[in-house]
Amino acid sequence: DAKTTQPPSMDCAEGRAANLPCNHSTISGNEYVYWYRQIHSQGPQYIIHGLKNNETNEMASLIITEDRKSSTLILPHATLRDTAVYYCIVRPLIQGAQKLVFGQGTRLTINP
Amino acid sequence: GAGVSQSPRYKVAKRGQDVALRCDPISGHVSLFWYQQALGQGPEFLTYFQNEAQLDKSGLPSDRFFAERPEGSVSTLKIQRTQQEDSAVYLCASSLVRDTSTNEQFFGPGTRLTVL
Repeated sequence: DAKTTQPPSMDCAEGRAANLPCNHSTISGNEYVYWYRQIHSQGPQYIIHGLKNNETNEMASLIITEDRKSSTLILPHATLRDTAVYYCIVRPLIQGAQKLVFGQGTRLTINP
Repeated sequence: GAGVSQSPRYKVAKRGQDVALRCDPISGHVSLFWYQQALGQGPEFLTYFQNEAQLDKSGLPSDRFFAERPEGSVSTLKIQRTQQEDSAVYLCASSLVRDTSTNEQFFGPGTRLTVL
């Protein structure tokens, strides 16, 4: 599985956009980029995923560079409830490759 | 609808005791996963079931760890002769469709195991 690199921690003011970067320079053409987050004392929660096009859903936007070597998760209007550890994961699209390989993630703190 | 549930939420065991951790996946979900999360670390894969078949157990750290899902629904993770290094949060996740990498996994709240 491709390795991802994320900053260990970030801060963001409430109401502002939170931009979380992820480097995945060894990503292969058949690998998706996934983002999960884990709020304290809860299990991880799926946020969004993409292959090469930018994606948006009700939670966030995912911007993937044209060379696919990095991506950015954007929380457009961060709230205190968005304080969590955010994990960027690359995952191959091959049969049986089901498991998620988590790194250390980015601890995002939203400040009032 | 109900999400993934796990029981107990907290378990304290004396070193050498056996423990059993239960996972109730979302109804109808084919795939079930177990992960182990040490304090301050990301979750690490333990094992994966597709219905009742255990297709991948490569992450189980030793033969003291055993998982089953006999009827393709509820799963139990058993740890025999617990050691202090087994202290962690054990997370269960399920997903709807097999063999498709785009399917999201739904996680339970985890069981926090403390071995004294």
